[in-house]
Amino acid sequence: GNSVTQMEGPVTLSEEAFLTINCTYTATGYPSLFWYVQYPGEGLQLLLKATKADDKGSNKGFEATYRKETTSFHLEKGSVQVSDSAVYFCALSDNSSNTGKLIFGQGTTLQVKP
Amino acid sequence: KAGVTQTPRYLIKTRGQQVTLSCSPISGHRSVSWYQQTPGQGLQFLFEYFSETQRNKGNFPGRFSGRQFSNSRSEMNVSTLELGDSALYLCASSQYRVTNTGELFFGEGSRLTVL
Repeated sequence: GNSVTQMEGPVTLSEEAFLTINCTYTATGYPSLFWYVQYPGEGLQLLLKATKADDKGSNKGFEATYRKETTSFHLEKGSVQVSDSAVYFCALSDNSSNTGKLIFGQGTTLQVKP
Repeated sequence: KAGVTQTPRYLIKTRGQQVTLSCSPISGHRSVSWYQQTPGQGLQFLFEYFSETQRNKGNFPGRFSGRQFSNSRSEMNVSTLELGDSALYLCASSQYRVTNTGELFFGEGSRLTVL
């Protein structure tokens, strides 16, 4: 079945450091890929998405490229801020079957220290 | 535009009781999904409702049920509560079924503790 695997956290970085959170997926069909972020005490919110191979999603300085050959969708940011501290979830939806759901990875906690 | 509203935000129940959680989607959104979030299992899909019909159900026992009303509001019910049902229950809405747009708008969740 479809699944998403993320690197385990927590990831602890100093402010202005470079961030990479790895995400790989297994899917039949043609999934769309997403990164969601959950700030403390809040629900999840969409950070960025990519709907086909080689698409790059970007938002708030974060980027991720849909790599079909490596089945990956790694999240990157060049310079993190303390306000980026949150839990990040990689997710996929299978557009080829009408499942109507997202499949999430386990989440990666990011802590940014000043 | 108001976001997704979930009530109650926090609740404590004892084993064997039942609980009903409510979700009001963003105005104009017709699809409501429910997810269970726990530290061990992460986010697990419970149900998806669209136009008052359950379109998809996750791998949960029959004690978990839900429904959607004509105004798109949704409720989920868990009967005969078990300790393992302690979790954050997240509701998410979207204008269409998620496979069309991929974007879900989440509420802040209802945190259920079962003692």
